[in-house]
Amino acid sequence: NAGVTQTPKFQVLKTGQSMTLQCAQDMNHNSMYWYRQDPGMGLRLIYYSASEGTTDKGEVPNGYNVSRLNKREFSLRLESAAPSQTSVYFCASKRFAGQASNQPQHFGDGTRLSIL
Amino acid sequence: GQQLNQSPQSMFIQEGEDVSMNCTSSSIFNTWLWYKQDPGEGPVLLIALYKAGELTSNGRLTAQFGITRKDSFLNISASIPSDVGIYFCAGQPVAQKLVFGQGTRLTINP
Repeated sequence: NAGVTQTPKFQVLKTGQSMTLQCAQDMNHNSMYWYRQDPGMGLRLIYYSASEGTTDKGEVPNGYNVSRLNKREFSLRLESAAPSQTSVYFCASKRFAGQASNQPQHFGDGTRLSIL
Repeated sequence: GQQLNQSPQSMFIQEGEDVSMNCTSSSIFNTWLWYKQDPGEGPVLLIALYKAGELTSNGRLTAQFGITRKDSFLNISASIPSDVGIYFCAGQPVAQKLVFGQGTRLTINP
């Protein structure tokens, strides 16, 4: 069972470069999420998509854009990477639409991004 | 934004010992989730709690949704080496987004 698949697993960028992180889920989930994980800070929500065709900002959206390409795929784009965006990025999905729904999120294995 | 305080931040224990960690919030939550993260991997759900007072077990793990709806704890009994990792609580305030604790890093000495 693939679950949530993220690509790439690792990436090094130079300041100012752009990059798109890919995420796909095969569980027929409606909602998808992007988080970043930094030491000592847990996971912080960047953007989410309650359903295909909708996206909303999370806690730390600045410097990022997202695209919900279809029900399966949700991409995260850094238009002009900055060192402060060095982090581990996790994609997650959940069956029912909307954050208020009492369903657990399922996570991918993460993308480790370093920006020099 | 919403704050979740998870403690302790780290634990160093001997194999076979019991482990206890907790999360508290200043706000009422209607869902508590406990995840474990192994190195190089994403968080994996351990236990989900949806009702105040609920006590749920998953093997050697037991978690409870506090009566006040502002806290939750996770206990691990008779720890083994594969329990090593980072444990995260996550809570969902009523009609709001999921919030994660800072994590508890568990290290086990054999």
